[in-house]
Amino acid sequence: QQKVQQSPESLSVPEGGMASLNCTSSDRNFQYFWWYRQHSGEGPKALMSIFSDGDKKEGRFTAHLNKASLHVSLHIRDSQPSDSALYFCAASPPNYNVLYFGSGTKLTVEP
Amino acid sequence: EAAVTQSPRNKVAVTGGKVTLSCNQTNNHNNMYWYRQDTGHGLRLIHYSYGAGSTEKGDIPDGYKASRPSQENFSLILELATPSQTSVYFCASGEGDNQDTQYFGPGTRLLVL
Repeated sequence: QQKVQQSPESLSVPEGGMASLNCTSSDRNFQYFWWYRQHSGEGPKALMSIFSDGDKKEGRFTAHLNKASLHVSLHIRDSQPSDSALYFCAASPPNYNVLYFGSGTKLTVEP
Repeated sequence: EAAVTQSPRNKVAVTGGKVTLSCNQTNNHNNMYWYRQDTGHGLRLIHYSYGAGSTEKGDIPDGYKASRPSQENFSLILELATPSQTSVYFCASGEGDNQDTQYFGPGTRLLVL
């Protein structure tokens, strides 16, 4: 069983719309969370990290973390066609330098 | 930005053959990682390293070996390649703190016939 689950598997939004991606961990040891983005044919690239409860905003991207429910979300406002990519949630426990990745959400932004 | 390169970018191997995938990073990062990516599984950790001379097993190490001869280089070795090892392999590096970001290479697409 994967320790990090993502939903939905795929998502389609119109250009300028809001995209919401979800991630849940099954391991209460996980304390640190990341969102990575992978464009077709490339390696994943870190989008943002979140380590504390609440919201973290970076430009059009907002991450929300609820450690009690082990749930983290990513919201992309004013979505652009260039945001079309595979988005991974990743989590790490303290004192252990490895990441556990979810299976990804494929986002398509339609012009 | 961190620079991680991988070679080869594409590889076709025969079942039972030996395959070596190479990774180089120029960021002086302590940690390096090997993942494989398969549809429906996301990225799964094969081996990782804390520095030159060290290798550690990840979640799916069976059938793979790793070698870290220097700070910059980390190799993944398939001694007896099997068709189930057909996948896209990614190398990553990170500074070594549990809050650090991992920087990924462009990937190697391996086909085992």
